[in-house]
Amino acid sequence: DVKVTQSSRYLVKRTGEKVFLECVQDMDHENMFWYRQDPGLGLRLIYFSYDVKMKEKGDIPEGYSVSREKKERFSLILESASTNQTSMYLCASRASGGTDTQYFGPGTRLTVL
Amino acid sequence: GQNIDQPTEMTATEGAIVQINCTYQTSGFNGLFWYQQHAGEAPTFLSYNVLDGLEEKGRFSSFLSRSKGYSYLLLKELQMKDSASYLCAVRDPASGAGSYQLTFGKGTKLSVIP
Repeated sequence: DVKVTQSSRYLVKRTGEKVFLECVQDMDHENMFWYRQDPGLGLRLIYFSYDVKMKEKGDIPEGYSVSREKKERFSLILESASTNQTSMYLCASRASGGTDTQYFGPGTRLTVL
Repeated sequence: GQNIDQPTEMTATEGAIVQINCTYQTSGFNGLFWYQQHAGEAPTFLSYNVLDGLEEKGRFSSFLSRSKGYSYLLLKELQMKDSASYLCAVRDPASGAGSYQLTFGKGTKLSVIP
């Protein structure tokens, strides 16, 4: 069974705090992604990584950074959380080749007060 | 860039057939995915089309017309558990990083009623 796990299902932080969201996949996938999902806006890509230590900006990278030190782990960092970063955050991973299905983690519901 | 449109909400009756449409306008195209997402859960893969035509998988079928920039997801013999959001996503080959991205539509919330 493919598996993508995220460190927390629910998280509450205060404005200005540094926030780490962790994602781990056990499928040896090269590609990993971070999305946020908001009502009426759908899934939007924040950052993705196609290899260890490699990262690419998605559609909405402002206010976020990422880290990929190991193949199985992709971290999303909010350097100084703001209320407009309250959202559902979804991590995904994908192999290269074939139908390239993306597998999603369960999501982290982040609330910034 | 990509522009993907799908209806916001749909309602259908248990046992019926429903078709969820997706239109896209893209600078590049290399495949279209459909995902199902139940409330509070992660999206799960349903289907993938890269060539024109119909792909059937049990009660679910997906159709693609590349010339029209159009796809639909067909759900037959609807069950209450089919109540979910259905996300259309287009694969963009032009990410410039040796990989590609998926661009998602905003999703169609389907409610199945008795």
